[in-house]
Amino acid sequence: QLQLQESGPGLLKPSETLSLTCTVSGGSITSDHWTWIRQPAGKELEWIGRMYTGGNTNYNPSLKSRVTMSLDTSKNQFSLNLSSVTAADTAVYYCARGPYPHYFDHWGQGTLVTVSS
Amino acid sequence: ETVLTQSPGTLSLSPGERATLSCRASQSVSSTYVAWYQRKPGQAPRLLIYGASRRARGIPDRFSGSGSGRDFTLTISRLEPEDFAVYYCQQYGGSRDLTFGGGTKVEIK
Repeated sequence: QLQLQESGPGLLKPSETLSLTCTVSGGSITSDHWTWIRQPAGKELEWIGRMYTGGNTNYNPSLKSRVTMSLDTSKNQFSLNLSSVTAADTAVYYCARGPYPHYFDHWGQGTLVTVSS
Repeated sequence: ETVLTQSPGTLSLSPGERATLSCRASQSVSSTYVAWYQRKPGQAPRLLIYGASRRARGIPDRFSGSGSGRDFTLTISRLEPEDFAVYYCQQYGGSRDLTFGGGTKVEIK
């Protein structure tokens, strides 16, 4: 059974770079769509971006200038970097998989990232 | 960006009752690209419906989805105790347009 697990620092200072990793077990990341989604407390789920076949990426236009995603097929992991964080980036961050770009059938449990000085 | 508005914000019902959740899009969305998720506290979101009306693997048939254009509906025919949760709709409008609704909480009356 496919499982996803997010990991990374839970506390950052403003202007730092958020770096999260999603470790995938029970399946390979060499196909399908691998996505990051976040949810600030009391707010809506927000799609951050996706990686798919060949290392291609699509990012949310509102975050594009600060987001980088990458795949490490040797470790079966995919990663999110979000630069120049502010308090507005405080959220629960989820990684998810979709067989297609338009829905997600497997999700991680989520990891809380707090940005505070 | 396509904005999804879910209503009501909270639905208070008893087990055995029917739940009808609404999701309205700010512009027309292809039904192929509408999904619904369930989330319980401390758990990962769970895919219920994709393609507006197709149940995901393992989802009981008391869950059904319908709709087209701007209006989509998730129906739970008879609420079971484990169905009390928050439900989200989601649309895909292209490689840079993927949004979620604000959620409907289904709580025990």
